Amino acid sequence: DAGVIQSPRHEVTEMGQEVTLRCKPISGHNSLFWYRQTMMRGLELLIYFNNNVPIDDSGMPEDRFSAKMPNASFSTLKIQPSEPRDSAVYFCASAVAGADTQYFGPGTRLTVL
Amino acid sequence: GEDVEQSLFLSVREGDSSVINCTYTDSSSTYLYWYKQEPGAGLQLLTYIFSNMDMKQDQRLTVLLNKKDKHLSLRIADTQTGDSAIYFCAEKGGSYIPTFGRGTSLIVHP
Repeated sequence: DAGVIQSPRHEVTEMGQEVTLRCKPISGHNSLFWYRQTMMRGLELLIYFNNNVPIDDSGMPEDRFSAKMPNASFSTLKIQPSEPRDSAVYFCASAVAGADTQYFGPGTRLTVL
Repeated sequence: GEDVEQSLFLSVREGDSSVINCTYTDSSSTYLYWYKQEPGAGLQLLTYIFSNMDMKQDQRLTVLLNKKDKHLSLRIADTQTGDSAIYFCAEKGGSYIPTFGRGTSLIVHP
């Protein structure tokens, strides 16, 4: 299996621009998680989907952040407009079911100038 | 809410054993995990232990769980330079969402 696939691996953008991060979970996994990792706050859960439905989005920092999962093999995390404090590594993880072990993608390193 | 604590850094000499410690607060934890993150990469699951176990061994890795004290440790025998990474402890209980520690940076020097 190819594992969880994320794109792009690196993104540099200017403040105010829209940013879209993409994730393809492992085939057969029904749960998908978006995390943000920073030096200051460590690993934070942003949102969790189960069977393409958002279950818990309490970690989404503000309305500038939105996530979708239109089908079982694709999810996006969008930031509009982006701000320098959004600079972080964003990870996607998937699991067979919500309670099972999570498998992480390689992450997208976002830099907002 | 639940909390997971780890020390931030550990430095060891190549060939020595490394012990990374973790404490957690959720008394309903059912699974406890160790993940490894190498530079520029995602978190890779190393091993996990069920809460009804005291110990799990997997080649050079030994996980010890003291459920009474809510203390988890990861021992790496014969530590190599390739073991240099950040190690995350995580626990999962009734919420189904794992709680991760801040990670321990293991530095292995010759």
